[in-house]
Amino acid sequence: QQQVKQSPQSLIVQKGGISIINCAYENTAFDYFPWYQQFPGKGPALLIAIRPDVSEKKEGRFTISFNKSAKQFSLHIMDSQPGDSATYFCAASRAAGNKLTFGGGTRVLVKP
Amino acid sequence: KAGVTQTPRYLIKTRGQQVTLSCSPISGHRSVSWYQQTPGQGLQFLFEYFSETQRNKGNFPGRFSGRQFSNSRSEMNVSTLELGDSALYLCASSLGVTGELFFGEGSRLTVL
Repeated sequence: QQQVKQSPQSLIVQKGGISIINCAYENTAFDYFPWYQQFPGKGPALLIAIRPDVSEKKEGRFTISFNKSAKQFSLHIMDSQPGDSATYFCAASRAAGNKLTFGGGTRVLVKP
Repeated sequence: KAGVTQTPRYLIKTRGQQVTLSCSPISGHRSVSWYQQTPGQGLQFLFEYFSETQRNKGNFPGRFSGRQFSNSRSEMNVSTLELGDSALYLCASSLGVTGELFFGEGSRLTVL
């Protein structure tokens, strides 16, 4: 049972554009929602995370939007750069624990 | 500060053999988690250890096991290897039960 669904599987965006990745979860016990960035040959790296008591969190060009009632959250990458080309994973956990349930990943390609 | 170190980085085994993978967490981190990454199933949680005790376990068969030592270093073992065990095995460490994981670069296992 896939508890976190991520879309799209891939997207191509022009340099300077906005990349938007969406995730939906089923388990209402989830209370911590991180996003990870993974480059080829590397392990995932924590990018930004949000808890359900806030609806939006911004760190630099990266913004998470969270909709608790819809059980959805999304990552927006503003002013996308070629260096942002990577695979992005959303995830969720209960009690902010270390057992993360990951979405399927989105491969982002930023064209110069 | 050194990151999470995993050894070996690459290994090839044949069906029926067993394998042991090693993980050295970031200094001071007491939690170590293991994840399996495959193109088909994505990132899946295997287990988590904290202060030498298994805190959580994913939905993997008993052939997958792990342990943590007093210095927080961890090992995972897969016995009676199957072709489907071919994957990137990622170790992640955390200061505590925070959900903020720091991943190593992984051990890529190929089973022939």
